[in-house]
Amino acid sequence: AQSVTQPDARVTVSEGASLQLRCKYSYSATPYLFWYVQYPRQGLQLLLKYYSGDPVVQGVNGFEAEFSKSNSSFHLRKASVHWSDSAVYFCAVSHNTGYQNFYFGKGTSLTVIP
Amino acid sequence: GGIITQTPKFLIGQEGQKLTLKCQQNFNHDTMYWYRQDSGKGLRLIYYSITENDLQKGDLSEGYDASREKKSSFSLTVTSAQKNEMAVFLCASSIIQALSYEQYFGPGTRLTVL
Repeated sequence: AQSVTQPDARVTVSEGASLQLRCKYSYSATPYLFWYVQYPRQGLQLLLKYYSGDPVVQGVNGFEAEFSKSNSSFHLRKASVHWSDSAVYFCAVSHNTGYQNFYFGKGTSLTVIP
Repeated sequence: GGIITQTPKFLIGQEGQKLTLKCQQNFNHDTMYWYRQDSGKGLRLIYYSITENDLQKGDLSEGYDASREKKSSFSLTVTSAQKNEMAVFLCASSIIQALSYEQYFGPGTRLTVL
């Protein structure tokens, strides 16, 4: 079965600290991987995506993620977080045929303490 | 750029009531989606539509109907609202072309059933 696991429901870090949010996936086909962010009372916004090539992809606002085929992971990182990064982060996996095959993790709620 | 508009932003209904949520997009995207977001459960697909007048059921379609009469709009109907139900319904759209499978989301409709 296809699935996405975000093992940490909540993460709290201090402003200026580094961040890693974990994502593991189980997918039978070659995956397309995404990280979305949801700010309070808003929809989801795309942070970054991975289709192929360099396993480290850069996104908006200093975020990056690294794809690991051997570990079935796509962890999100940021070198120095800001209080405005407080939000819920969703990892998602899709297939190269698009349409229905989008699977989301349950999300990680990030709180950045000033 | 484009935008996805969802109406209403807040929807309060009574048990057993039929409720309709609306979504409009001006991306000119072919495919549109309805997701249900419950706290701690991530996003679950209710319905999607590949093109106008097309409807496909997702994992959570029971209790819902959908309608795609125009390319730019996609409606979702809760056929019989359940008491104490609270959730956010997110509409999304995407265009399926080479290396561009991400979904774009609206701000959501928050449903409360009394």
